[in-house]
Amino acid sequence: AQKITQTQPGMFVQEKEAVTLDCTYDTSDQSYGLFWYKQPSSGEMIFLIYQGSYDEQNATEGRYSLNFQKARKSANLVISASQLGDSAMYFCAMRSSGYSTLTFGKGTMLLVSP
Amino acid sequence: EADIYQTPRYLVIGTGKKITLECSQTMGHDKMYWYQQDPGMELHLIHYSYGVNSTEKGDLSSESTVSRIRTEHFPLTLESARPSHTSQYLCASSGGERSGGYTFGSGTRLTVV
Repeated sequence: AQKITQTQPGMFVQEKEAVTLDCTYDTSDQSYGLFWYKQPSSGEMIFLIYQGSYDEQNATEGRYSLNFQKARKSANLVISASQLGDSAMYFCAMRSSGYSTLTFGKGTMLLVSP
Repeated sequence: EADIYQTPRYLVIGTGKKITLECSQTMGHDKMYWYQQDPGMELHLIHYSYGVNSTEKGDLSSESTVSRIRTEHFPLTLESARPSHTSQYLCASSGGERSGGYTFGSGTRLTVV
């Protein structure tokens, strides 16, 4: 069984600062993928970043980077230089090899203040 | 420009009514999914499909049903809506990317009164 844990219900950060959103996962599979999605108040889900379990380097996409620590089973999202538009819910998700369905965590609400 | 479309965006309907939430994608993806999400909460998989004439129930028990007669179309139906069905319903598809990540629709916010 797969499980995603996001322990931070809410995070506050000031504009232009960096913030780390935590995500730990549990799986017995060796091959899996980890995802982060952003959900603004409008409700749509926006893909941010992907990390494969066999990828040797941490994934980066613009201001987003994924701090992947395989031994600790963590996949934290780092947002550099926060912007007001980053205020949203952020969901960590996992897909195991052989399955196409994603399992989501409970999410973290990020609020960016001026 | 969205490649996966959900209609309606918002729906308020009375108890006992039959409703169909539409989801269509233009990417030719084989795999499609329906998730249910209460406000500010996690997403729960309720149905998925690996292709035409293939449908499976997800992790969360749901009174809804789905069909997949065409690759691009994956509608969700509630035969008799109840207030407990009030939620957001998100449709997604996957297929081309190495990661297997989803492309989501904009969602349907359903309120049953």
